Parts: sequence; C-alpha cells; structure tokens
Amino acid sequence: DIQMTQSPSSLSASVGDRVTFTCRASQSVSTSLHWYQQKPGKAPKVLIYSASSLQSGVPSRFSGSGSGTDFTLTISTLQPEDFATYYCQQTYSFPLTFGQGTKVEIK
Amino acid sequence: EVNLLESGGDLVRPGGSLRLSCTASTFIFKNFAMSWVRQAPGKGLEWVSSIGGTGGDEKYADSVKGRFTVSRDNSKNTLYLEMKGLRADDTAVYYCAKDQIPFNGQFDAFDIWGQGTMVTVSS
Repeated sequence: DIQMTQSPSSLSASVGDRVTFTCRASQSVSTSLHWYQQKPGKAPKVLIYSASSLQSGVPSRFSGSGSGTDFTLTISTLQPEDFATYYCQQTYSFPLTFGQGTKVEIK
Repeated sequence: EVNLLESGGDLVRPGGSLRLSCTASTFIFKNFAMSWVRQAPGKGLEWVSSIGGTGGDEKYADSVKGRFTVSRDNSKNTLYLEMKGLRADDTAVYYCAKDQIPFNGQFDAFDIWGQGTMVTVSS
C-alpha cells in the first residue's frame, strides 16, 4: 500500500499569510495526487487534481506542485474562508489512500 | 447542479447489516466510476470502495473486504454499499463520491461528494 504523509499536521497562520504544506508518498504516484479541503461538518471539496491542475471554480490563490513522491499545496494569500483541514489523496494504485490531513488554524 | 444524495445510515448493533444508497442527478451516471469514503468521528478520510462505470472493477479497502459489497444500478442512477458484520470501528460518516473524468479503466480525483450519511455501530 502507498502511505501518504502530510506535514505539518497543523499550523497556525494569519489572514494574508502565504502557506505551504507538503504531502509525501511512500512510493511514486506520478502525478495522480489530488488535494481536498474540508470544513467542519461538510464534505471534502477538491481543490487541485493531478498534482497541479486547479479545479474549476477554485480561487487562483491555491496552487499545487510536485510529481513522484513529493508534493506541495500553497495558498498564496490566506483568506478567512481558508481555515480548514486539507488532505492529499493518491489514485495511482489501490488501495486509494489519503494523507492524515493538515489543519490550518487562525493565529 | 450535479448532486449526490446518500441515505441508509443508522444505528446498528455489532454484527448487524446495513445498506447505504447514493442517488445521483444531473450527470450521466453510468459514465463515471463511483466511490465510498468514510470518516470516523474526529478522524481523517478513509477510502472504502470504488466501482467502475459499468459495475465491474470493484475495489475494496482491506478493512472492509469480505464484509462490504459495492454495486450500482445505472438504470436508477444509484450506488449502493451493502455492509455486513459491522463492527464498532465501522462507525463513521459515509460519503459517496464521483470520479472527475469518464471512466476509462483508471480512477481519478473525486469532484463531487454527497453530504454524507452516519453509520453508528454500537450495542
């Protein structure tokens, strides 16, 4: 199974900050890596698919990069609505796996 | 607006059974792979099962293999998850989710999710 490890597990940031978090796969997933945002009590929402493609309707302050085993999600200018938990997911091989999540909290 | 609506979640005793349903609207259901993802209270996301567009290509997490069965009825635009031998650690919100691209043998990002249905396994 491919293990997905996100870091950090949580971070505190202020509105306007640039935030970057990472996702590492235990073996190559090529670019079959996707990022989701989840707010409390809500279903996840895809932000970035295939490592770097911005999902339609998602603000351009979100960006993704990476391939193989190392990936990053960047929020260029943190907005109040961005405080949430972010998960990476690989769909390269079964079982599909998610990272444990990064919770972004208000500083 | 593309929509997924889950139903069937309930309180069930250990060892019991339950069937979840997920009804889709406003997209060509048969063209897309579908999946189930669960989230235990206060925990992260866990993939449970996926099924290809025509109903083949069934995949399962080891934690549910042999106990859960995924199926779909494309004439009813509905995805199912039959759960047997339920355990306390199956307690979670269960989401159904749609693949982003029409099924071509590969599974992709989940672009649409349902609102979730709660399954509680407790005596």
